[in-house]
Amino acid sequence: AQSVTQLGSHVSVSEGALVLLRCNYSSSVPPYLFWYVQYPNQGLQLLLKYTTGATLVKGINGFEAEFKKSETSFHLTKPSAHMSDAAEYFCAVSVGGSASKIIFGSGTRLSIRP
Amino acid sequence: NAGVTQTPKFQVLKTGQSMTLQCAQDMNHNSMYWYRQDPGMGLRLIYYSASEGTTDKGEVPNGYNVSRLNKREFSLRLESAAPSQTSVYFCASSILSESNQPQHFGDGTRLSIL
Repeated sequence: AQSVTQLGSHVSVSEGALVLLRCNYSSSVPPYLFWYVQYPNQGLQLLLKYTTGATLVKGINGFEAEFKKSETSFHLTKPSAHMSDAAEYFCAVSVGGSASKIIFGSGTRLSIRP
Repeated sequence: NAGVTQTPKFQVLKTGQSMTLQCAQDMNHNSMYWYRQDPGMGLRLIYYSASEGTTDKGEVPNGYNVSRLNKREFSLRLESAAPSQTSVYFCASSILSESNQPQHFGDGTRLSIL
């Protein structure tokens, strides 16, 4: 069965520092992987996705993620944090034909220190 | 450019009352979903509709029913609300139901059951 684990329910970084949000997945078949962002009192918005092809995926707002099959990871990074990046981030994994099979991680809340 | 619209945004119910959450999308998407979001648990799928005229159970369907009224609208009904159904409910849609398709989310309905 597939699963997704986000390491760290809360991450705090200084403005201008590197952002690294960790996501590991478990899947017996090649997965599709997503990162979503949720701002307060809003729904989830797609940041980026990996389906096939290039393993380094660039998304919106300067975020990117790299699919590493050997490490079963899909960590989200941004070189320089902005105050506006404060939000909750969800990693999700989907396999096997139907979007109804998508599994969301429990989320990581990102705080930015001035 | 509304995307996915959910009504109401907030609701307080008493145990045993019934209510219907409404969702409409204007993106001509085929597939629609209902999730609940609870602290520390990410999103869990309640029901989904891969296409107009079909509905299927997700991970946590007990206590809920759905109706895919037409291609645009997908409603979620609580027949007899229970305190355990206190949650934030999100409706989402995707162009197709394949697992590589990203989902577009509404802003949620915050539901409290007393």
